Amino acid sequence: DSGVTQTPKHLITATGQRVTLRCSPRSGDLSVYWYQQSLDQGLQFLIQYYNGEERAKGNILERFSAQQFPDLHSELNLSSLELGDSALYFCASSYSQTSAAFFGQGTRLTVV
Amino acid sequence: DQQVKQNSPSLSVQEGRISILNCDYTNSMFDYFLWYKKYPAEGPTFLISISSIKDKNEDGRFTVFLNKSAKHLSLHIVPSQPGDSAVYFCAASGAGSARQLTFGSGTQLTVLP
Repeated sequence: DSGVTQTPKHLITATGQRVTLRCSPRSGDLSVYWYQQSLDQGLQFLIQYYNGEERAKGNILERFSAQQFPDLHSELNLSSLELGDSALYFCASSYSQTSAAFFGQGTRLTVV
Repeated sequence: DQQVKQNSPSLSVQEGRISILNCDYTNSMFDYFLWYKKYPAEGPTFLISISSIKDKNEDGRFTVFLNKSAKHLSLHIVPSQPGDSAVYFCAASGAGSARQLTFGSGTQLTVLP
């Protein structure tokens, strides 16, 4: 158990819908990262927050957004969903930006 | 543009022998390297890391070697056990405020009993 909690574990939704994925980082970790793993793309960095502030953006679509709340949990919002958004979404956290990141179990999103 | 490359998609070794997984990178700004193990439908599990100021780091059966001039790192697992069978990802992060991880495509390790 990495200490990073993601909910829900599985999500099935229709095209055009909006979903919210939630992540609770390890206790004491200030950085939260979101990654997407598609079948043919490997682990792709989406976005990073550090202590409530956005720090970096990767290959994140404009239809996607995220935020980190004062209690340090984070949410990833995916809207106008398309079939191609079906993937595993992982959250990771780290204490600082120079320490190892620990991953949650992921949310498997299926868009039908 | 793949900045972190794992050129071997799969590797099979006999139980008790050494497993060597390789990783190459192109971005000279990377200064922190990590290896993760991943089982299907689970999140990556952190194994071991190395800073660019070192060329070797050991943790139990796992040793990571870094050759900065060749932009190459490797993970050695000795002795290999059947429970080590998983996908291994190499990751790197660079200088700057973000330090997000850039992952390789992974190597499927199968340890045969």
